[in-house]
Amino acid sequence: GNSVTQMEGPVTLSEEAFLTINCTYTATGYPSLFWYVQYPGEGLQLLLKATKADDKGSNKGFEATYRKETTSFHLEKGSVQVSDSAVYFCALSDRDYKLSFGAGTTVTVRA
Amino acid sequence: DVKVTQSSRYLVKRTGEKVFLECVQDMDHENMFWYRQDPGLGLRLIYFSYDVKMKEKGDIPEGYSVSREKKERFSLILESASTNQTSMYLCASSFWVPPGANVLTFGAGSRLTVL
Repeated sequence: GNSVTQMEGPVTLSEEAFLTINCTYTATGYPSLFWYVQYPGEGLQLLLKATKADDKGSNKGFEATYRKETTSFHLEKGSVQVSDSAVYFCALSDRDYKLSFGAGTTVTVRA
Repeated sequence: DVKVTQSSRYLVKRTGEKVFLECVQDMDHENMFWYRQDPGLGLRLIYFSYDVKMKEKGDIPEGYSVSREKKERFSLILESASTNQTSMYLCASSFWVPPGANVLTFGAGSRLTVL
C-alpha cells in the first residue's frame, strides 16, 4: 500500500536559518506529492505540490522536488521566519482520491 | 473565500454518548473526507464520500459512521463514544478531478474529548 515517512520533529531553528524536512514515500503507481502546512489553531492548507517526476513545487519561499529515483519529496526553505512556525505534512495521492499523510513535523522558529 | 466549516471546535462527551460532527462546504465539491489527527500518527482517513449518499471506508472506520444527504454536508457519527476516540477530527473536501490532482481544502478541526 501507499505510505509516507517524514522526519520526526520537533525542529527548532533561529530566524534566517535553512530548513529541510525529509519525506520519502512508497506507492504502487505514479503518485502526486504534496506538502500541507497547519498553523496553530487552524486546519491544514496546501503549501505546494508536484504531479510528476522531476517537477518542482514552490510557494512562499518553500521548494520541493519530486525525485522518483530516490522516492523523495524533501521540503526546503532558505531563510525561515517566525511566521513559518507550524506543523508540516507530506502527503501523496495515487490512483484514487484519498491522500495518505506522513506523521507531521513540528517546526518552531525563534526570533 | 472558499470554506469548509466544522460546526464545533471543541466538544466534551461522556463514554457511550452518541456524537455528531458536522461539516459543511460552500464550494460545490463532489468529494468530502473525514480524518482524525493524532500526535505522531499524522492524519488517518476514517471515511470519504464522492457523491451524495455515497460513502467509502477509509483506513480506520471502526466505531464511526457517516451521512451525506446533501452535497454540501458530510456528518461523522460516533454511535457510542469511547475514550480512544478522543482526537482532533478534520473534515476536507475536493473537486472531482483526475486521480492524483486531488487538492483538499480543510476545515479548522473539531477537538473531541471523551471522558
